[in-house]
Amino acid sequence: DQQVKQNSPSLSVQEGRISILNCDYTNSMFDYFLWYKKYPAEGPTFLISISSIKDKNEDGRFTVFLNKSAKHLSLHIVPSQPGDSAVYFCAASASSGTYKYIFGTGTRLKVLA
Amino acid sequence: DGGITQSPKYLFRKEGQNVTLSCEQNLNHDAMYWYRQDPGQGLRLIYYSQIVNDFQKGDIAEGYSVSREKKESFPLTVTSAQKNPTAFYLCASSRDGHGPLDGYTFGSGTRLTVV
Repeated sequence: DQQVKQNSPSLSVQEGRISILNCDYTNSMFDYFLWYKKYPAEGPTFLISISSIKDKNEDGRFTVFLNKSAKHLSLHIVPSQPGDSAVYFCAASASSGTYKYIFGTGTRLKVLA
Repeated sequence: DGGITQSPKYLFRKEGQNVTLSCEQNLNHDAMYWYRQDPGQGLRLIYYSQIVNDFQKGDIAEGYSVSREKKESFPLTVTSAQKNPTAFYLCASSRDGHGPLDGYTFGSGTRLTVV
């Protein structure tokens, strides 16, 4: 039972264009959402987060959008750069106190120069 | 520089053997976690510990054991009871009182291969 889904295993985008990575979830109790970026043979690094009381959070080139009614969130990267090429994971957590995160399967982004 | 150190980076194990993966952090974080990553799957939680001498099972704890004798260390033992131990193992930590939007700090992982 995959509670957090990233249905696109890979995405290729031209340098300078927008990258849009999508994530869907099924558990309506989730109210915190995070995006991580992972390079090969390295651990994930935290990128950006959003709580369910907001529908948008922006940090530089990265913006996360949350659509609670659709149980959908997306990460926008504008403009995309070759260094953004990595695997991106979304993660979700409910207000359980321990903040255990459920991770999606990841989307491999390739930014073409 | 503070961070999480996982060792070794690559580990080979014969079937039927136990093996212990090391995770050390110097971030003064209270909580530590072990995740497993398999191809085509997200990270799955094996065990977590919020304080020294206490830990809880995650979603896939069968065949694994942990200890938390020191705040800095959270070793994971993959026992012979684990049916599919070949995977990429990630250790993470978070500070006490961290908010749910702060995220974890991850180590660089250990790739375990059963031969």
